[in-house]
Amino acid sequence: KAGVTQTPRYLIKTRGQQVTLSCSPISGHRSVSWYQQTPGQGLQFLFEYFSETQRNKGNFPGRFSGRQFSNSRSEMNVSTLELGDSALYLCASSLAGGGQTGNTIYFGEGSWLTVV
Amino acid sequence: AQRVTQPEKLLSVFKGAPVELKCNYSYSGSPELFWYVQYSRQRLQLLLRHISRESIKGFTADLNKGETSFHLKKPFAQEEDSAMYYCALAARPMLTFGGGTRLMVKP
Repeated sequence: KAGVTQTPRYLIKTRGQQVTLSCSPISGHRSVSWYQQTPGQGLQFLFEYFSETQRNKGNFPGRFSGRQFSNSRSEMNVSTLELGDSALYLCASSLAGGGQTGNTIYFGEGSWLTVV
Repeated sequence: AQRVTQPEKLLSVFKGAPVELKCNYSYSGSPELFWYVQYSRQRLQLLLRHISRESIKGFTADLNKGETSFHLKKPFAQEEDSAMYYCALAARPMLTFGGGTRLMVKP
């Protein structure tokens, strides 16, 4: 079956702009989580959506937001981009959501965002 | 709050040598731990999880609750094992990752 698909794979934005990243989870998965990966901070949890509802949120400013559609596809948006937002943004899907016993999380290849 | 620590950022070994990537965690509940691997230019993928008690690509990991550790081991490293390895703890609402260890296996 198809894996987690993220688009776009690479993008360059200017400070102050906004960006939207898209994620299509594995078919049948209702949970989508987003992580930010940087060399300095490693992998950090952004938020999780389950059945169109944000279930959990990490410690990121309000400039980072997301949503999930009825087909479980998810988007994340970052407004007023800063240089420090340059990172690999990973989407992960699962049946039950992160942290659930016995639940396996599958990751997409990520979207590389460079802010200049 | 949960925390995962991988003390080594880089581990370099020769092909055929044993490998041990260290992972320590802190969590007040019953932990569920994973090892993820990220090969160059590839997605993060699950290597193994402690509840399965399996061996994948020759790697094993045992959960030691007394020492709060989940070290990843392989008796004979191969060049294709070179990658970033992340230890992760599943605790609602998310996976908490360690900082990662880059394993380099030299010929």
